[in-house]
Amino acid sequence: GAVVSQHPSWVICKSGTSVKIECRSLDFQATTMFWYRQFPKQSLMLMATSNEGSKATYEQGVEKDKFLINHASLTLSTLTVTSAHPEDSSFYICSARDRRPGVAYNEQFFGPGTRLTVL
Amino acid sequence: GIQVEQSPPDLILQEGANSTLRCNFSDSVNNLQWFHQNPWGQLINLFYIPSGTKQNGRLSATTVATERYSLLYISSSQTTDSGVYFCAVNQAGTALIFGKGTTLSVSS
Repeated sequence: GAVVSQHPSWVICKSGTSVKIECRSLDFQATTMFWYRQFPKQSLMLMATSNEGSKATYEQGVEKDKFLINHASLTLSTLTVTSAHPEDSSFYICSARDRRPGVAYNEQFFGPGTRLTVL
Repeated sequence: GIQVEQSPPDLILQEGANSTLRCNFSDSVNNLQWFHQNPWGQLINLFYIPSGTKQNGRLSATTVATERYSLLYISSSQTTDSGVYFCAVNQAGTALIFGKGTTLSVSS
């Protein structure tokens, strides 16, 4: 159980275009999902917390108008990178907490990531 | 916020050797997880270990919450163990905060 998927796995786009990344919890409902970004040879940095039915909470330094997050259902959160530029090229990873009985409250499960390259 | 420090940053081993990776954190936490990031970027859950000791095959982990550290032991290392190992912690309901990782290279 506790499987998280992401789509697409990788995407290449031109500078100035927008890209949408989907994060789905496949076998559980997730009221909260988290978005991280990882640059080469670096650690994962939290970008935002996505809450179902409400606005996302962004970390300091993350532009909320550039990285639009929508958590419209209990199994889907989307991250849209608007007007992407080469400096947005990175590995984007989402995670979710499985709140089912028997699962540790604070344990997080991660998707496989989406590699974004902006030309 | 909570600071997470991992050591060593890099580790080179011969196949068959044992190793210990350390994770220190600056505040009390409700959760600590160890991950292995494979070459494709996927984070593999190794342990959910806010306290105590767990073992899974050649891997084991110990967290001493009162002293704010955790150890990951890898015994009889194999080339497939190569990659980056992350420690991450959180407090109740919040997102995981990651350390900078330990890059392990195991050669045959």
